[in-house]
Amino acid sequence: AQSVTQPDIHITVSEGASLELRCNYSYGATPYLFWYVQSPGQGLQLLLKYFSGDTLVQGIKGFEAEFKRSQSSFNLRKPSVHWSDAAEYFCAVVGGSQGNLIFGKGTKLSVKP
Amino acid sequence: NAGVTQTPKFQVLKTGQSMTLQCAQDMNHEYMSWYRQDPGMGLRLIHYSVGAGITDQGEVPNGYNVSRSTTEDFPLRLLSAAPSQTSVYFCASSYYGQGGQYFGPGTRLTVT
Repeated sequence: AQSVTQPDIHITVSEGASLELRCNYSYGATPYLFWYVQSPGQGLQLLLKYFSGDTLVQGIKGFEAEFKRSQSSFNLRKPSVHWSDAAEYFCAVVGGSQGNLIFGKGTKLSVKP
Repeated sequence: NAGVTQTPKFQVLKTGQSMTLQCAQDMNHEYMSWYRQDPGMGLRLIHYSVGAGITDQGEVPNGYNVSRSTTEDFPLRLLSAAPSQTSVYFCASSYYGQGGQYFGPGTRLTVT
């Protein structure tokens, strides 16, 4: 069965530091992969997605993610974190032809001044 | 474009009561879905629909009903609320099969 693992429950980084959030997936075919961000009390916003092609994808708010098939990973990166990036981040994979999403359990990002 | 809208934002129910969570989208998306979010559990799919008149169960469907009479609306019904249904509920929509879903702002439900 398809699954998504986000190994880090909570990460704290200093403002201006670089960020990498890990995501590993289990899926037999070429996956459709997504990163979402959820600010406190808000819904989920799509940051970026990978369907095919270039394995490095750019998203909104200065985020990027790299698809590595050999490692079954889709890690999210940002070169310089801003205080407003503090939120919870979810990785997801499409689990079937209908487009159902399977989510990881999320990584909460805290940003130190 | 309002996107995906949900009502109400907050709701408190007593055990055994029923209610309907409303969801609407104005993007002409075929696919709509309901998730529940619980601490440490991520989002889990309750029910989904790939078009008007077509619905199917997700990972955690028990205790919930859905219907899809129009493309725009996808209400979620709690038949007899239980404390285990205390959660935050999100509705989402997308073009069929693409997975890049747009989410509503959520409904926070407490069952006492």
